[in-house]
Amino acid sequence: EADIYQTPRYLVIGTGKKITLECSQTMGHDKMYWYQQDPGMELHLIHYSYGVNSTEKGDLSSESTVSRIRTEHFPLTLESARPSHTSQYLCASSEFTGGRWDTQYFGPGTRLTVL
Amino acid sequence: AQSVTQPDIHITVSEGASLELRCNYSYGATPYLFWYVQSPGQGLQLLLKYFSGDTLVQGIKGFEAEFKRSQSSFNLRKPSVHWSDAAEYFCAVVPYNTDKLIFGTGTRLQVFP
Repeated sequence: EADIYQTPRYLVIGTGKKITLECSQTMGHDKMYWYQQDPGMELHLIHYSYGVNSTEKGDLSSESTVSRIRTEHFPLTLESARPSHTSQYLCASSEFTGGRWDTQYFGPGTRLTVL
Repeated sequence: AQSVTQPDIHITVSEGASLELRCNYSYGATPYLFWYVQSPGQGLQLLLKYFSGDTLVQGIKGFEAEFKRSQSSFNLRKPSVHWSDAAEYFCAVVPYNTDKLIFGTGTRLQVFP
């Protein structure tokens, strides 16, 4: 079944650690996204990619980095985690139809807590 | 300013009651319109979407939404709410000639038995 996966679902880690949040999709979508969702529930786009070797920064400045070596895989890395990085991170992918990127499909999210 | 507005931050209904969640947008040309639902600790699930055509759109879980161009609205409705519908609901748009998904701030739905 075509889907989008995120691991881990929950992560509690100490300050200064390097972490990678994994995102994979089996829907064959070219475009992928990372959103940060704060406790107030508003979603902010932090990274996106149009395809392999493409990465762009989103609307919200983030200290995280992303890579896109394979179409189906879009990991997000924090080199040195800080308590301010505590949040929920949502990965999404979208299809390209009718000349536009439209419907975005979301993974289950990773809830990150940095102590 | 261009935006997506969900005027109701929190709505409480009784199980079995009807539901309408409001969404307004302020973009010149008709955007693509979406409703997503998020259960606690989960990702966003697509309920329905409108691109063009019939202005009444049917979605999953018994939800429907009606696009009203004159009111720049895309309100979500359900005739009879179930306790499992308690969640956060997000309206979102992809403005015309862009590929960016713009979210409203969400409406939290609470359902009483």
